[in-house]
Amino acid sequence: GAGVSQTPSNKVTEKGKYVELRCDPISGHTALYWYRQSLGQGPEFLIYFQGTGAADDSGLPNDRFFAVRPEGSVSTLKIQRTERGDSAVYLCASSPSGQGSPTFGSGTRLTVV
Amino acid sequence: GNSVTQMEGPVTLSEEAFLTINCTYTATGYPSLFWYVQYPGEGLQLLLKATKADDKGSNKGFEATYRKETTSFHLEKGSVQVSDSAVYFCALSDAGGTSYGKLTFGQGTILTVHP
Repeated sequence: GAGVSQTPSNKVTEKGKYVELRCDPISGHTALYWYRQSLGQGPEFLIYFQGTGAADDSGLPNDRFFAVRPEGSVSTLKIQRTERGDSAVYLCASSPSGQGSPTFGSGTRLTVV
Repeated sequence: GNSVTQMEGPVTLSEEAFLTINCTYTATGYPSLFWYVQYPGEGLQLLLKATKADDKGSNKGFEATYRKETTSFHLEKGSVQVSDSAVYFCALSDAGGTSYGKLTFGQGTILTVHP
């Protein structure tokens, strides 16, 4: 597609539930990133994929967070046993390779009630 | 670890005023530096970047110079417009890291420009 697409744009879930957030990167981009942006803060790095593999997952806050990219294109961020503190905008970005400036999507706003 | 500190906001200016948004950083080695902008309802967009000391990034009338001696990358514009109202983020990429796109962001500065 023309840009990085994230779905859904908004997600409200109950505490303790499981959620999946989807990212469609720009076609042909091998590098894909997930960030989390809390209210009033800058984005914080979560994980970086190069192709199908997670090259750097040092930003994932705990083992409730997991991300996959099985075919090297679409990625899914999965959050188990959601907590109210997980409420944030989750941003996805992609770039042609690990050496390019990434293009960001508009994000998924997750609200845990 | 790496960190980026931006001036506290929000910043409110009249059209055609001069803009400065301060940004300082802490990093090991020689990072690349960026300014991103987030317009209302839109995603983050790269505004400008500089990859080595004394480089000046520029775009849409905005400029920032990579100052290694003061570890700063202040954003400036000589004459702001109402359409420049947005949130501005300073960021760095660790040159020794695994990826150029692994960015450390500042907290953002809200700019509002009035006619």
